[in-house]
Amino acid sequence: DVKVTQSSRYLVKRTGEKVFLECVQDMDHENMFWYRQDPGLGLRLIYFSYDVKMKEKGDIPEGYSVSREKKERFSLILESASTNQTSMYLCASRKGEQFFGPGTRLTVL
Amino acid sequence: AQKVTQAQTEISVVEKEDVTLDCVYETRDTTYYLFWYKQPPSGELVFLIRRNSFDEQNEISGRYSWNFQKSTSSFNFTITASQVVDSAVYFCALSGSKAAGNKLTFGGGTRVLVKP
Repeated sequence: DVKVTQSSRYLVKRTGEKVFLECVQDMDHENMFWYRQDPGLGLRLIYFSYDVKMKEKGDIPEGYSVSREKKERFSLILESASTNQTSMYLCASRKGEQFFGPGTRLTVL
Repeated sequence: AQKVTQAQTEISVVEKEDVTLDCVYETRDTTYYLFWYKQPPSGELVFLIRRNSFDEQNEISGRYSWNFQKSTSSFNFTITASQVVDSAVYFCALSGSKAAGNKLTFGGGTRVLVKP
């Protein structure tokens, strides 16, 4: 079974802090994705990567950056967290269908 | 640009009733894929089905069935004889060309509540 893991299920940070969300997949997938999920808005794509050191902006990249130094790991970075980045963050990797991690619920105070 | 619309935000049914979730999509790609995912209260998205744009056959898997109609750009999902365990948020999604990075565009989701 494909496994996508995320470093934290719940995270609380303060405004202005730098936040790292880590995602690891164990199936050698090339494509990895970061989404945020907000009520009524579904999942919105922040960034994706189709290879090591490659990244592409999704629909809502502002305020975020990403890093993909190794194929299995895709990190989402909030350079200076703000309250409007309070959300559920979901990582996915893909070959065929997308497999999702359990999500990280981030609260920014 | 791609768009997926799930007009129903929440549906409440009593156990054993059938429930149909609507999904309408927009895309300019001639080749595309449609998906349904289930998100139970635990939060993890569970893949249910993938359908490519050239296969309009309806599909049935147990109590789940899907109706793909290209003419109306719809990919509806029916749960037959619903059970309490079907309570979840269901997402319809669309993936376009490989050149676009195989990105998924999600609808807003439909929350299904099955009461005993």
